[in-house]
Amino acid sequence: LAKTTQPISMDSYEGQEVNITCSHNNIATNDYITWYQQFPSQGPRFIIQGYKTKVTNEVASLFIPADRKSSTLSLPRVSLSDTAVYYCLVGLRDSGYSTLTFGKGTMLLVSP
Amino acid sequence: DTGVSQDPRHKITKRGQNVTFRCDPISEHNRLYWYRQTLGQGPEFLTYFQNEAQLEKSRLLSDRFSAERPKGSFSTLEIQRTEQGDSAMYLCASSSWGTSGSEQYFGPGTRLTVT
Repeated sequence: LAKTTQPISMDSYEGQEVNITCSHNNIATNDYITWYQQFPSQGPRFIIQGYKTKVTNEVASLFIPADRKSSTLSLPRVSLSDTAVYYCLVGLRDSGYSTLTFGKGTMLLVSP
Repeated sequence: DTGVSQDPRHKITKRGQNVTFRCDPISEHNRLYWYRQTLGQGPEFLTYFQNEAQLEKSRLLSDRFSAERPKGSFSTLEIQRTEQGDSAMYLCASSSWGTSGSEQYFGPGTRLTVT
């Protein structure tokens, strides 16, 4: 499984755009990049998944450069409720099943 | 609420006791997963079911741990002779055959404290 590296923590203010970058130098050809969000005392929540270029949904955007060795999760105009841990995962999208491998994630703190 | 549910949400037990947790996945999901999460760490995979078949077990799942999904619906995770090192959040997740295996829906977890 490709190892991921992301910052331990980030700070932001309400209304700002936040970009969290994840490095995955050993990503395999068939690997997808998936991001999860976790609030305290809750299970992780799927945010977004992508393979290359850009993916956007109602929550976030995911930017993946051509070499796919990194990816950036972009959260537009964050609010206090976006304070959470964000996990970057790399692996097969459909291998029949997927045992997710989480790292320590990035703790995002949004202040007023 | 049609999300993944887990019961109980909190469990305090004494070392050496047995505990059992229950997970009810999203009804149409045939895949069910158990994870364990300790403070400051991401969740760690324990085991996986497809319908009633247990297809994958992590080496983290010692022989004191057993999981079942008897009818392919709810699942139970039992820990026998609990140890203080078993204190953690136990998370259940489910996913559907037709969707990405890496898009899993997690429950709120059961927080276990072994004293």
